[in-house]
Amino acid sequence: GAVVSQHPSRVICKSGTSVKIECRSLDFQATTMFWYRQFPKQSLMLMATSNEGSKATYEQGVEKDKFLINHASLTLSTLTVTSAHPEDSSFYICSARWTSPDTQYFGPGTRLTVL
Amino acid sequence: QQQVKQSPQSLIVQKGGISIINCAYENTAFDYFPWYQQFPGKGPALLIAIRPDVSEKKEGRFTISFNKSAKQFSLHIMDSQPGDSATYFCAASSRGSEKLVFGKGTKLTVNP
Repeated sequence: GAVVSQHPSRVICKSGTSVKIECRSLDFQATTMFWYRQFPKQSLMLMATSNEGSKATYEQGVEKDKFLINHASLTLSTLTVTSAHPEDSSFYICSARWTSPDTQYFGPGTRLTVL
Repeated sequence: QQQVKQSPQSLIVQKGGISIINCAYENTAFDYFPWYQQFPGKGPALLIAIRPDVSEKKEGRFTISFNKSAKQFSLHIMDSQPGDSATYFCAASSRGSEKLVFGKGTKLTVNP
């Protein structure tokens, strides 16, 4: 199957700082990447859809100025959590779409803890 | 409005038994139904997927059964093993939409 990586896998930061999470498709070119947030014992919540070379499309209720998404190439998308607060602590997961228009392959996730 | 309803929320099965997880949907435009397996602290992994032109798809011990008229689909895990213990998510999407709609997940525990 297609491989998607995320970096870092874990990050701890102080309140008010910004954190960047990278999502890479390692063995294929992904025209579309997705960013999800997952709280403990809950399902995945789509935050935004990222298309290469264009602005991300955010889901209702997701602050675009707080969660900055950049999809500069067909293999890399980044999510920057700006001015992070403890309530932003969560598990962030990216996915990339490949071949079949519907098939999404997920990264391993990034655990963000904001102190 | 929850577009994909998944049940049960949790499931305990003995080793060697059959695990069955069910999902139901309302949107008749859905035409792609994947199942994902997620271990704690990891991202979801695509397990198996089906389209509505077939009623069943089998890959190893994993089978999806699809009932278009009832708008239901289910995952069957044959000969369940302790290593299958994970959370399973069903999902659905429609042609022309990039998004997957997820069920709430089922935590499967397979006892040795």
